[in-house]
Amino acid sequence: DVVMTQSPLSLPVTLGQPASISCRSSQSLVHSDGNTYLNWFQQRPGQSPRRLIYKVSNRDSGVPDRFSGSGSGTDFTLKISRVEAEDVGVYYCMQGTHSWTFGQGTKVEIK
Amino acid sequence: EVQLVESGGGLIQPGGSLRLSCAASGFTVSSNYMSWVRQAPGKGLEWVSVIYSGGSTYYADSVKGRFTISRDNSKNTLYLQMNSLRAEDTAVYYCASDLSAWGQGTLVTVSS
Repeated sequence: DVVMTQSPLSLPVTLGQPASISCRSSQSLVHSDGNTYLNWFQQRPGQSPRRLIYKVSNRDSGVPDRFSGSGSGTDFTLKISRVEAEDVGVYYCMQGTHSWTFGQGTKVEIK
Repeated sequence: EVQLVESGGGLIQPGGSLRLSCAASGFTVSSNYMSWVRQAPGKGLEWVSVIYSGGSTYYADSVKGRFTISRDNSKNTLYLQMNSLRAEDTAVYYCASDLSAWGQGTLVTVSS
């Protein structure tokens, strides 16, 4: 099974400052069809998850452009260029190349 | 507008069965890949099962052989039949369409 490891697990950030979350997979996420099925989700307190990014770097409709995804192979990153108060919550990476697996989650809070 | 509404959760004894439903509107369930994801109290997200538009189904090892995902195109509804329930199946169960639209979740509590 593919293991997804996120770091850090807790991320205190200052409003207006950038933030970065790392996600590493135990094996390459490049699918035989050439795509890399790596997603990022946001879960605000008391809400359902919401997908932000699909296939590494594609933003979902309505997602602010301060969110960006990058990476390849086994190493991936979610970046928030300037953190806003509404960004507080838990962020999960999820791979869909080898069955499906979520990372443990990274809790983003305001300092 | 795409909307997903789960129902069917509740308190069930270990070893019991429960069927969750996810009523969809604004799109056709058979045209998308539909999945179930669960979240135990205070824990992270765990993928449970997926059914693709072509009908292929896949399950997490933790539920394989006990849970069955299906859909009723005439009712535009996704289902999750859960048998032989265990305490560790206690969670909020979310349905999702293409992972881009999610329901509000339904709580399943397995306890005696």
